[in-house]
Amino acid sequence: GMPVEQNPPALSLYEGADSGLRCNFSTTMKSVQWFQQNHRGRLITLFYLAQGTKENGRLKSTFNSKERYSTLHIKDAQLEDSGTYFCAAEGGGGSGNKLIFGTGTLLSVKP
Amino acid sequence: DAGVTQTPRHEVAEKGQTIILKCEPVSGHNDLFWYRQTKIQGLELLSYFRSKSLMEDGGAFKDRFKAEMLNSSFSTLKIQPTEPKDSAVYLCASSLGGNTGQLYFGEGSKLTVL
Repeated sequence: GMPVEQNPPALSLYEGADSGLRCNFSTTMKSVQWFQQNHRGRLITLFYLAQGTKENGRLKSTFNSKERYSTLHIKDAQLEDSGTYFCAAEGGGGSGNKLIFGTGTLLSVKP
Repeated sequence: DAGVTQTPRHEVAEKGQTIILKCEPVSGHNDLFWYRQTKIQGLELLSYFRSKSLMEDGGAFKDRFKAEMLNSSFSTLKIQPTEPKDSAVYLCASSLGGNTGQLYFGEGSKLTVL
C-alpha cells in the first residue's frame, strides 16, 4: 500500500466545529510534518514532530512512531482554516530529509 | 528573514520549449528540494540537494528534468523539452538539514505547457 495514507480526502465543517485528520504510515517514520496549503499555493508548516504532541492555538498534532500514525486536530474551526492539509513523513534508514507526502485533505469551513 | 523565493510565479510554454525555473532557499539552509504538484499525482520529489551536492535526482524525471545548485543561495530546474504532461506547480523547499527536516516552501511556479 501507500507509505503514507491520509484521511479523509475531503472534509466539510461549520464554523465552530471540531474535527481531526489522520495519517497512517506503512513503516516506522522518523518524524512528521503537517502543512496547510493556502489559496496562494504556499505550503505553510503547522507542526514538525519527532514524537509526542504539540499544540498551537486551535490546532493540536500527535505523532506516534511506534503505532505508525499522526493526527491533526482542529478545534473551533474558522473560515480561514479552509484549504488543503498535508501530512509528510520522513523515513528512517538513510533517507536523509526526504519527505513522503500524504494525498491531502481538502477542508472547507462554512459559515 | 526572507523565506523561499521562486520565480517565475507563472510560465506558459509551447511544447518542445526549454524552461528554467528558479529558487532561492532560506539563507543558511543546507538542504534544497524540488517537488512537482499535480491533482492526480500529488507531491512528487524531483531533486534533493544537500550542501549543493545532488543527493536524489528523482528517478523517472531524469531524462528531461535537470536541477542544478550553482551556489548555496540559488538553484534552477530546467525542463527540456517541455511536454503538455509537464503542466503542474513546481515547488521549491529548503531546510536546515542535519537532524531537523522541517521544510520551508516557496509559493511555487505554475507551468502550463500548450
